Amino acid sequence: EAGVTQFPSHSVIEKGQTVTLRCDPISGHDNLYWYRRVMGKEIKFLLHFVKESKQDESGMPNNRFLAERTGGTYSTLKVQPAELEDSGVYFCASSPANYEQYFGPGTRLTVT
Amino acid sequence: RKEVEQDPGPFNVPEGATVAFNCTYSNSASQSFFWYRQDCRKEPKLLMSVYSSGNEDGRFTAQLNRASQYISLLIRDSKLSDSATYLCVVGGGRRALTFGSGTRLQVQP
Repeated sequence: EAGVTQFPSHSVIEKGQTVTLRCDPISGHDNLYWYRRVMGKEIKFLLHFVKESKQDESGMPNNRFLAERTGGTYSTLKVQPAELEDSGVYFCASSPANYEQYFGPGTRLTVT
Repeated sequence: RKEVEQDPGPFNVPEGATVAFNCTYSNSASQSFFWYRQDCRKEPKLLMSVYSSGNEDGRFTAQLNRASQYISLLIRDSKLSDSATYLCVVGGGRRALTFGSGTRLQVQP
């Protein structure tokens, strides 16, 4: 069974530019999550989708971040405009009905 | 105070040793508990869920003490391949996971 996949694996952009990250969850997993790890800090929750609906977006840092999950399949996370402090590793995770979450390999974002 | 506290280590142990990691969490309403393993520059991988009754998976044993808000992981007969960062992870009613900073384990030959 294929795991959670994320694209791109790395992205280097300049401050003020826009970046879109993509996550494909494990097939059949209704729950999709975004997390972020910034340098030297622990992994932090950003938001949670159930199918195409945002269940919890309490972790989104500000309105420069926009997440979508059209059709309840893959999800995108757009950062516009990117700031230096947005640099970090963005992880996506998915889970079935239970609480166990399975993580993708992450997208390493560097904003210069 | 962090929501999930772990000793960052590193724990340097010889092969075959038994090592124990501890973790405390601050939210008494937490409902789910996990240990994840993370290798350098990789994603966290679920090692095991943790239940109040305690659970064992091969060389790994996890315990949960809800009264003390304390979670532990015991690794017996350490292997070189066990070298990694072990993340204590707690889930609440809203299903978002809260991560500890991780405890680094280095198993030496």
